[in-house]
Amino acid sequence: GENVEQHPSTLSVQEGDSAVIKCTYSDSASNYFPWYKQELGKGPQLIIDIRSNVGEKKDQRIAVTLNKTAKHFSLHITETQPEDSAVYFCATKGAAGNKLTFGGGTRVLVKP
Amino acid sequence: NAGVTQTPKFRVLKTGQSMTLLCAQDMNHEYMYWYRQDPGMGLRLIHYSVGEGTTAKGEVPDGYNVSRLKKQNFLLGLESAAPSQTSVYFCASSYSRAPGQGLQPQHFGDGTRLSIL
Repeated sequence: GENVEQHPSTLSVQEGDSAVIKCTYSDSASNYFPWYKQELGKGPQLIIDIRSNVGEKKDQRIAVTLNKTAKHFSLHITETQPEDSAVYFCATKGAAGNKLTFGGGTRVLVKP
Repeated sequence: NAGVTQTPKFRVLKTGQSMTLLCAQDMNHEYMYWYRQDPGMGLRLIHYSVGEGTTAKGEVPDGYNVSRLKKQNFLLGLESAAPSQTSVYFCASSYSRAPGQGLQPQHFGDGTRLSIL
């Protein structure tokens, strides 16, 4: 089955700096790559996603890049703010169905 | 529009006891999912359903059963709870894929925190 590895597991940045989280996956048939943000005591919430026919997608301060050849994708958060502090999960979806495989998560702490 | 609602929010069980976790969604989604979340392991799929009356196994189905008698509800059962099932359980739902509509994101509830002593 699919295997998704996410790095780093924790990330501490100064407010205003950028944060980058990377994920690698094993199934070359994966075609959908969402990123979820989970705040304390809450469920994961979708913040951005990208499909396999797109190399980059941006939404205000967040962006995702995809390298299908190398089988990795990354989340970039620019101008970080304290409210960006949370756990972030990457995920992939295979060619069939709508099942997601998640990475292990990255705890991001933005220091004021 | 409440989205995905999970009950209860917290529960403590003794080993061997049984219980049912309830998930309800009001978005008319066809697909529903149950995940468990453990430290450092992300979310792992337990069971899922692609429609009323149908269920299928996910990545870690052992020790759990599910039922989808109504489209809006998805129940997760533990027949004989074990300490290894101590976890946070999340339910999610999504539309099914339809031609021309692309991939459908999953919407999550806020979880049930389950401790088994």
